[in-house]
Amino acid sequence: QQQVKQSPQSLIVQKGGISIINCAYENTAFDYFPWYQQFPGKGPALLIAIRPDVSEKKEGRFTISFNKSAKQFSLHIMDSQPGDSATYFCAASRGSSNTGKLIFGQGTTLQVKP
Amino acid sequence: GAGVSQSPSNKVTEKGKDVELRCDPISGHTALYWYRQSLGQGLEFLIYFQGNSAPDKSGLPSDRFSAERTGGSVSTLTIQRTQQEDSAVYLCASSLGRGGFITEAFFGQGTRLTVV
Repeated sequence: QQQVKQSPQSLIVQKGGISIINCAYENTAFDYFPWYQQFPGKGPALLIAIRPDVSEKKEGRFTISFNKSAKQFSLHIMDSQPGDSATYFCAASRGSSNTGKLIFGQGTTLQVKP
Repeated sequence: GAGVSQSPSNKVTEKGKDVELRCDPISGHTALYWYRQSLGQGLEFLIYFQGNSAPDKSGLPSDRFSAERTGGSVSTLTIQRTQQEDSAVYLCASSLGRGGFITEAFFGQGTRLTVV
């Protein structure tokens, strides 16, 4: 119940294309769903996050789509750029609880080809 | 400092030795996490401290692993009798709870542990 499943494991996209990464969770108590971006040798950094009261959140070229009934959420990167090449992690937590530990997916390595 | 600071950045140790990894969270952050990231793998949850609550140790892989957080600030992750499978990057993160709601977690650069 604590798992977050992420797919695909790796993704290659041409510059200007759309990158889509999917995540699924089981625990309906989760109420905070962030996406993190990690470059080699660096710690992950928050990219964008959503709470279940909305179905979509957009920040620049990055959009989270959230389907509460299906217990799924996804990251869309529009107009993908070579600088977006990194590893992306979805996560989930019970943010409104003292047990709000972040549970991460396995990660997706994105390569954007010029 | 402005961010989460971890030390050392790299640690090479002999199998069977004990190691201590340190994390200085962002000042005022009430929540602190430790994760382990093996080469090319995801982030494996180890332990979570939130304020004065008892830590969530459910992710510690064995009793060789322990962590403490002194004064609600600095945290130390200790691995006793290290094994080669302990080799990984150990990441620390902290976050600020506002009104009981956990917000963004900020990660340090990690400590790369190599057990030879």
